[in-house]
Amino acid sequence: DAGVTQSPTHLIKTRGQQVTLRCSPKSGHDTVSWYQQALGQGPQFIFQYYEEEERQRGNFPDRFSGHQFPNYSSELNVNALLLGDSALYLCASSLRQAAGYTFGSGTRLTVV
Amino acid sequence: AQSVTQLDSQVPVFEEAPVELRCNYSSSVSVYLFWYVQYPNQGLQLLLKYLSGSTLVESINGFEAEFNKSQTSFHLRKPSVHISDTAEYFCAVIASPYGGATNKLIFGTGTLLAVQP
Repeated sequence: DAGVTQSPTHLIKTRGQQVTLRCSPKSGHDTVSWYQQALGQGPQFIFQYYEEEERQRGNFPDRFSGHQFPNYSSELNVNALLLGDSALYLCASSLRQAAGYTFGSGTRLTVV
Repeated sequence: AQSVTQLDSQVPVFEEAPVELRCNYSSSVSVYLFWYVQYPNQGLQLLLKYLSGSTLVESINGFEAEFNKSQTSFHLRKPSVHISDTAEYFCAVIASPYGGATNKLIFGTGTLLAVQP
């Protein structure tokens, strides 16, 4: 039973560029949440997708956007990258109405 | 607003000694509580969770945590640690009267458990 799969594992981008991160949820899960974990910090909630719609959003600018596909997989897009966007981006999946999140191993984004 | 406080950024301990990692939360509504562990260069793994029922919850690898509503705490304990327990530990809360997967996890800043031989 595959868990949450994220790609790529590492990424280096230049300031001002755009990036897309991808997430495949655990089998049977229909909800995907994205978190940003800066170095030495706890994860911060970015947003959550269910039924292909953004259901909740954390305190992140509009440069951060997402999408969920009919197969429940999801993408996180970040435009106009800043140095401060360098972080580990974690995807978590769950089954709606169940408080059991499964996390992926993350994508390490470095902005130079 | 809900928040989670992990009072210790780092806890050094010798192998086979007991350990307690402290977690306090702030919420005016009922909560679900979690402990996650993160090994270097990896994602988060669920260690244990409190949703309802017994206030003492246990993990399969010897950790336990007790939900204390009056003290708004959810401290993590292990009676005897191993070198392999060295990792970052995060306390997290879902604050909602109805809980569920539609609600976000709020994390603390983490505690590094450093087990020394």
